[in-house]
Amino acid sequence: DAKTTQPNSMESNEEEPVHLPCNHSTISGTDYIHWYRQLPSQGPEYVIHGLTSNVNNRMASLAIAEDRKSSTLILHRATLRDAAVYYCILGNTPLVFGKGTRLSVIA
Amino acid sequence: DVKVTQSSRYLVKRTGEKVFLECVQDMDHENMFWYRQDPGLGLRLIYFSYDVKMKEKGDIPEGYSVSREKKERFSLILESASTNQTSMYLCASSQGGASLLRWAFFGQGTRLTVV
Repeated sequence: DAKTTQPNSMESNEEEPVHLPCNHSTISGTDYIHWYRQLPSQGPEYVIHGLTSNVNNRMASLAIAEDRKSSTLILHRATLRDAAVYYCILGNTPLVFGKGTRLSVIA
Repeated sequence: DVKVTQSSRYLVKRTGEKVFLECVQDMDHENMFWYRQDPGLGLRLIYFSYDVKMKEKGDIPEGYSVSREKKERFSLILESASTNQTSMYLCASSQGGASLLRWAFFGQGTRLTVV
């Protein structure tokens, strides 16, 4: 699987937008980009995925760089319930979720 | 409400015991997965299955086996539990497609302690 790099932690104020970056310079042409999040004491939860084009759903948006070497998960208005570890995962049979980014949301 | 259900939230077993972790999904999904999660190491795939009676090794299959006799059930077996298998075990399922991890649903996890 291609390797991803995410910041260890980020902080956001409530009701502000959050941009969570992910670098994946070794991505192959057929690798999907997936984002999952894990709230405390729960299993991971699907957020969004994409291949080449930007994607939107009710939870978030995914912006994919034109060269696909990086992507950004965008939470449009952070709430306290969005505090979680966010994982960026590549590949069509992902073997490993990395350490992710721990997002803290401040009221 | 879609669900992936793991049979136990907490388990304590003795070294050398044979341990069964059960996972059931009610979404008629083709793919099922077993991961383990350890502090500092993230989630690592142990085994996955894309169809009944089919299985594929993941990143860390050593010391584990799996069984999928019915579409909705995927079992993880520790043939002889060891203390280094103390971990959080997570089951997941997804519909088939170009990427196995699209729209996957995870269970709540089983925290296994081997003493």
